[in-house]
Amino acid sequence: DAKTTQPPSMDCAEGRAANLPCNHSTISGNEYVYWYRQIHSQGPQYIIHGLKNNETNEMASLIITEDRKSSTLILPHATLRDTAVYYCIVRVARVEYGNKLVFGAGTILRVKS
Amino acid sequence: GAGVSQSPRYKVAKRGQDVALRCDPISGHVSLFWYQQALGQGPEFLTYFQNEAQLDKSGLPSDRFFAERPEGSVSTLKIQRTQQEDSAVYLCASSLQREVFYEQYFGPGTRLTVT
Repeated sequence: DAKTTQPPSMDCAEGRAANLPCNHSTISGNEYVYWYRQIHSQGPQYIIHGLKNNETNEMASLIITEDRKSSTLILPHATLRDTAVYYCIVRVARVEYGNKLVFGAGTILRVKS
Repeated sequence: GAGVSQSPRYKVAKRGQDVALRCDPISGHVSLFWYQQALGQGPEFLTYFQNEAQLDKSGLPSDRFFAERPEGSVSTLKIQRTQQEDSAVYLCASSLQREVFYEQYFGPGTRLTVT
């Protein structure tokens, strides 16, 4: 699986959009971009994933650049409860590679009132 | 519905003791994973089950670590002769199907402290 690079921490004002970047310059064509988050003292929680098209669900939007070397997770209206560590993960979709998630250090997002 | 549950939530063990950590996955979930999370770091994969079959145990750090899922539902992670470096949060996750498109649902973890 390709390596990802994320900033160690970010701050965001409550009610504003939080934009979390992720670099994955060595991503290959069959690798997906996944985002999970981990709120303090809880297990990680799935947010969203995508291959090359932008994706949106009830939690967030995922913007993937055309060359797929980077992506941005957008929380449109951050709340205090969005304070968490956000992990960007790149993984191959084929089952024979196994389904394990390889976490990096992630980005600590602090939403402030 | 009920999510993934883990017990105990906290465990303190003296060095050299054996411990057993339990995971109850979401009912019907075929895939089950164990991860280890040291303080301040992201979770690291330990092992993976598809039903009762342990298909990947490449992340187990030593032969003191053993996991089982005998009936394809509840799983137990056992650590023998615990060492201080085993202190971590142990996370269990389950997934509905084997395909990677199915998200993993994590439990709250068991925090193990070895003194």
